Amino acid sequence: QFVLTQPPSVSGTPGQRVTISCSTSSSNIVRRPANWYQQVPGAAPKLLIYSNNQRPSGVPDRFSGSKSGSSASLAISGLQSEDEADYYCAIWADSLKGWVFGGGTKLTVL
Amino acid sequence: EVQLVESGGGLVKPGRSLRLSCIGSGFKFGDYGMSWIRQAPGKGLEWVAFIRGKGSGGTTEYAASVKGRMTISRDDSKSNVYLQMTSLKTEDTGVYYCVRDGRPSLDVWGQGTTVTVSS
Repeated sequence: QFVLTQPPSVSGTPGQRVTISCSTSSSNIVRRPANWYQQVPGAAPKLLIYSNNQRPSGVPDRFSGSKSGSSASLAISGLQSEDEADYYCAIWADSLKGWVFGGGTKLTVL
Repeated sequence: EVQLVESGGGLVKPGRSLRLSCIGSGFKFGDYGMSWIRQAPGKGLEWVAFIRGKGSGGTTEYAASVKGRMTISRDDSKSNVYLQMTSLKTEDTGVYYCVRDGRPSLDVWGQGTTVTVSS
């Protein structure tokens, strides 16, 4: 009922641009703003994008977010080796009264 | 510096209880809702529980997987949030993160505390 679908993995070479999608068919969360988190191996997740397209202070502008209809996207341009991490989308579900996370996408920088 | 620090994790047998604690600093703790998020080994993130700030009634919400077994509470005088876990199952094993709910996002994360449920 409350499902956010992400691709399990994406890859790119240094300097490239990659995108990660986050889609839902749930009418309960389709209108809610999406947030994105980056988790490097062995570390806690870190907020990357909030309210679909806003970057917290300190997040490079290589990271950008967008949302259209039932799908949100995270774009990373000028790919760097340190971007290799797991990326999660998350949305607050009003009817669940809780947070729903996507399954996560592993980004590999080749 | 805004910071969250968890403690209380450990190895526990199935059916037993454990209480996690989290202390916040660098912000007005009572003004914020707080959540616990967990991550099983090699798996993704799962929301566990949420408690609103006192200004929003301090009410609580739980994931279906833990409802009736886990209780979130807070002591704003100590800038602490707790997760009391009872009737623990092996599937509760994982890293538990204390997270500030700075709606519209979970904006500050602790470093996590590890819970292992095993006989």
